[in-house]
Amino acid sequence: LAKTTQPISMDSYEGQEVNITCSHNNIATNDYITWYQQFPSQGPRFIIQGYKTKVTNEVASLFIPADRKSSTLSLPRVSLSDTAVYYCLVGDLNQFYFGTGTSLTVIP
Amino acid sequence: GAVVSQHPSWVICKSGTSVKIECRSLDFQATTMFWYRQFPKQSLMLMATSNEGSKATYEQGVEKDKFLINHASLTLSTLTVTSAHPEDSSFYICSASRLAGGTYQETQYFGPGTRLLVL
Repeated sequence: LAKTTQPISMDSYEGQEVNITCSHNNIATNDYITWYQQFPSQGPRFIIQGYKTKVTNEVASLFIPADRKSSTLSLPRVSLSDTAVYYCLVGDLNQFYFGTGTSLTVIP
Repeated sequence: GAVVSQHPSWVICKSGTSVKIECRSLDFQATTMFWYRQFPKQSLMLMATSNEGSKATYEQGVEKDKFLINHASLTLSTLTVTSAHPEDSSFYICSASRLAGGTYQETQYFGPGTRLLVL
């Protein structure tokens, strides 16, 4: 089971690029890496998912090195509304691990 | 696409009563649904996994007689907290996974959550 490790918290100024890394040393061949954003008293919102290399969508990029033992969520030009907790989830539907989350605070 | 709803969004009940929470996938068929609970400033804790037409699989330490799960269709799962007590007060979140295929991987999409307060 791929246990994940994330920084507990991060601060960033508005307009900066933010990179949040998740370590998953024991990732299995079938495991995907998924990132979620959660605001207080809301359910997690899907941000991006990947298996290897780089994935980009309209809100974020996900970088996964060749050994897949870590992944980095990149949020370009954050705004105050990006203040939230970010979780990486590693695994498949049969077995997965939800990380402890990174609390991102965006400062004006 | 991939919208999941929960009802109710919040509920207050007296100790000893039962509470039912519904989780629906609105625009896709969900092969599997998951139920979580979350305490303040903590990560999500998986309670159980339910597959349509099958008995739910509960995580270690979760009482199946206390948290009854029914997955009646590919779009609906319910969690019933039986004989609720104050320690059951929490934020309950469901997720639904769509069938893999095409551009979709096996991804969990989460509902908005239900806040339960037991007095």
